[in-house]
Amino acid sequence: DTGVSQNPRHKITKRGQNVTFRCDPISEHNRLYWYRQTLGQGPEFLTYFQNEAQLEKSRLLSDRFSAERPKGSFSTLEIQRTEQGDSAMYLCASSFTDSGNEKLFFGSGTQLSVL
Amino acid sequence: QQQVKQSPQSLIVQKGGISIINCAYENTAFDYFPWYQQFPGKGPALLIAIRPDVSEKKEGRFTISFNKSAKQFSLHIMDSQPGDSATYFCAAGQGTYKYIFGTGTRLKVLA
Repeated sequence: DTGVSQNPRHKITKRGQNVTFRCDPISEHNRLYWYRQTLGQGPEFLTYFQNEAQLEKSRLLSDRFSAERPKGSFSTLEIQRTEQGDSAMYLCASSFTDSGNEKLFFGSGTQLSVL
Repeated sequence: QQQVKQSPQSLIVQKGGISIINCAYENTAFDYFPWYQQFPGKGPALLIAIRPDVSEKKEGRFTISFNKSAKQFSLHIMDSQPGDSATYFCAAGQGTYKYIFGTGTRLKVLA
């Protein structure tokens, strides 16, 4: 499978616990993104990496959230001290540039439920 | 100014019919308008995209119509099939990664 891979697919945690998600992008794509999607809504941008550099973070990404992409390959998104409002689908995407525009390819997401 | 408004929220179409989903944007700096298809339990998949220098783009049964002056664009699915039943998202971007997505349209095609 050469698509974007995300693990785990589902995560149930208790409020206050820390969780970490992993994303493996398409190998030839050097840009990687994290989006969050809540029920009945479209994806919302969280953060973006160009190789290993994190170039932008949304205001949605509070200080409890941290993302890394060591060596410009896979990425992790950690949420500390989870809150019930963090319950959502966390989507990872990678992209290539086509005539100046980014074509995003999404993984299947990690569904987080905070009890 | 960064919003993308999508309608309808849900749509039911008979097999073989035409499905039409509409989106409107405000930021005239947007220059790329993709549509994504999402099945339950899956991430969104790029379906078709258009730039504002053309008024229409067709790929198979899927057509985007773009009205730059009205700041509106729409997705037409011709000969709709039950396998097209999914949630469709429009999006808008400014040549970059940070796309603004619409709220989605849940399409159901009846057999």
